Amino acid sequence: GEDVEQSLFLSVREGDSSVINCTYTDSSSTYLYWYKQEPGAGLQLLTYIFSNMDMKQDQRLTVLLNKKDKHLSLRIADTQTGDSAIYFCAGFQKLVFGTGTRLLVSP
Amino acid sequence: AAGVIQSPRHLIKEKRETATLKCYPIPRHDTVYWYQQGPGQDPQFLISFYEKMQSDKGSIPDRFSAQQFSDYHSELNMSSLELGDSALYFCASSARDRPTGELFFGEGSRLTVL
Repeated sequence: GEDVEQSLFLSVREGDSSVINCTYTDSSSTYLYWYKQEPGAGLQLLTYIFSNMDMKQDQRLTVLLNKKDKHLSLRIADTQTGDSAIYFCAGFQKLVFGTGTRLLVSP
Repeated sequence: AAGVIQSPRHLIKEKRETATLKCYPIPRHDTVYWYQQGPGQDPQFLISFYEKMQSDKGSIPDRFSAQQFSDYHSELNMSSLELGDSALYFCASSARDRPTGELFFGEGSRLTVL
């Protein structure tokens, strides 16, 4: 079955860039997504990338996709304290989520 | 814009009781998904419906059942509740004809089994 892995924690200072990584085994999804989950809340779609692209930029967010290595990353520029949340990559057949990366932004 | 509505937001039940969660998708969305997220866990896919028919099945226990109604809302029925069923249950909806295929999630229903 699908296997999606992410690092569990990332801690950065406000104003720094954050890079959250995701590796996956199933490459059949047409689109790959990044979702954000704040404590006790639902998952909010942040951005997505078409599987034929290798990069997508959306304001402070940059998504990089390396299909050969089955690696997806999300870069957040000028990270703010409001970006503190859990970030999930997702895609694939049944929208399998990664384990989530908890981003902590300190002032 | 209208979002996915879930009810109730919080529910407390005792072991062996039953619970029903409801989900109202975004208007004109034809597909509904249910996910279960345990404490500190990633969301696990349970089941999905497209045009009122079950379209996919994940790790849904036999004690659980779900359906999608003619107005596209969906209900997740959970019986013989166990302590381990305590979790946040998310519903998501999507439009099958939307090429990007993203899911829009509700705020979740938190079930606590005592």
